[in-house]
Amino acid sequence: DQQVKQNSPSLSVQEGRISILNCDYTNSMFDYFLWYKKYPAEGPTFLISISSIKDKNEDGRFTVFLNKSAKHLSLHIVPSQPGDSAVYFCAASAGGTSYGKLTFGQGTILTVHP
Amino acid sequence: GAGVSQSPSNKVTEKGKDVELRCDPISGHTALYWYRQRLGQGLEFLIYFQGNSAPDKSGLPSDRFSAERTGESVSTLTIQRTQQEDSAVYLCASSEYRNNQPQHFGDGTRLSIL
Repeated sequence: DQQVKQNSPSLSVQEGRISILNCDYTNSMFDYFLWYKKYPAEGPTFLISISSIKDKNEDGRFTVFLNKSAKHLSLHIVPSQPGDSAVYFCAASAGGTSYGKLTFGQGTILTVHP
Repeated sequence: GAGVSQSPSNKVTEKGKDVELRCDPISGHTALYWYRQRLGQGLEFLIYFQGNSAPDKSGLPSDRFSAERTGESVSTLTIQRTQQEDSAVYLCASSEYRNNQPQHFGDGTRLSIL
């Protein structure tokens, strides 16, 4: 039972354009969401997060949108750069006894072409 | 400052042997997590330590897996009688123990069971 899903295994974008990565979740107890970027042979690097009390969070070129009614979040990268090419994971956690435990999606491979 | 450090970076061993993986968290981070990533899949939670509280072991796949943590520093993940399905990248992360703090990952140990 996959509680966090990234339905697009890959995405290809031209440099300078917008990249939109999507993530769906099923557990209504999730209240904190994160995006990580991962290069080969390296650990995931934290990009941006959002708590369930917000619907948008921005950090430079990265914006995360949360739609709680649809149980959907997305990561927008504008403008996309070749260095953004990596695997992107969304992750979620719930409060209470599940505090701290992250549930990850399968990842989306982003390729940004020069 | 120093990030999360894991050793060894690669480990190849024969089926049936025991292995021990080490994690040094970021200084001052009281929470420490272990995850596993099998080929082509997302990260899978294994175990979580917070201060002197009892660890959350709910993600450990079998009793062959165990982990210890000394105070708020080094942690070791031990896999006994390794099986081929244990082959994966084992990732350690640490965070501050406050609401909605991101976890920061090491580069992982790539474990291959022959």
